[in-house]
Amino acid sequence: RKEVEQDPGPFNVPEGATVAFNCTYSNSASQSFFWYRQDCRKEPKLLMSVYSSGNEDGRFTAQLNRASQYISLLIRDSKLSDSATYLCVSRRGGFKTIFGAGTRLFVKA
Amino acid sequence: DAGVTQSPTHLIKTRGQQVTLRCSPISGHKSVSWYQQVLGQGPQFIFQYYEKEERGRGNFPDRFSARQFPNYSSELNVNALLLGDSALYLCASSLDDYYGYTFGSGTRLTVV
Repeated sequence: RKEVEQDPGPFNVPEGATVAFNCTYSNSASQSFFWYRQDCRKEPKLLMSVYSSGNEDGRFTAQLNRASQYISLLIRDSKLSDSATYLCVSRRGGFKTIFGAGTRLFVKA
Repeated sequence: DAGVTQSPTHLIKTRGQQVTLRCSPISGHKSVSWYQQVLGQGPQFIFQYYEKEERGRGNFPDRFSARQFPNYSSELNVNALLLGDSALYLCASSLDDYYGYTFGSGTRLTVV
């Protein structure tokens, strides 16, 4: 079993839609969590950190449920430019940063 | 400000050869991590260095080695290349353990 698991998708949504991605992690020692975005053949870019109380950055909302060991990302009012692969990340021991395989999102006009 | 820089951007090597990849972190970042990414998968953790010391390594064979220099730049070495080593090699730097990483644009290694 992979330490960080994501639904690979793809998710195909129209512009303006709301879409949610879930991610589960298996190591209860995981301390920090992040979402990254990766465009085709580019490097991953940090989208947002995920805090225990949940946090929002514009159209993006991240939630953490430690009891169930899952993280979610909600994207509201999807734009064409949101089309990318979204990587869920957990970190433990201060340095062991584990990436999920990613969820592909296609936003259609 | 310069971001994370990696060199070379592309590389073609023959099986059995050795390769050295280079990374310069963002100024002030003391942590450098190396990842391998193959098509369709997320980045796989290879090494992390902090203040020139190895803090951890992932499940990679001993053919993979790395080091960090006094200026915090880093090199990843891979010996006895196999076809399966073909991948995008990403370097990431961060200020400390609590921040997310900033990645370089990677080195695309092809082993033939």
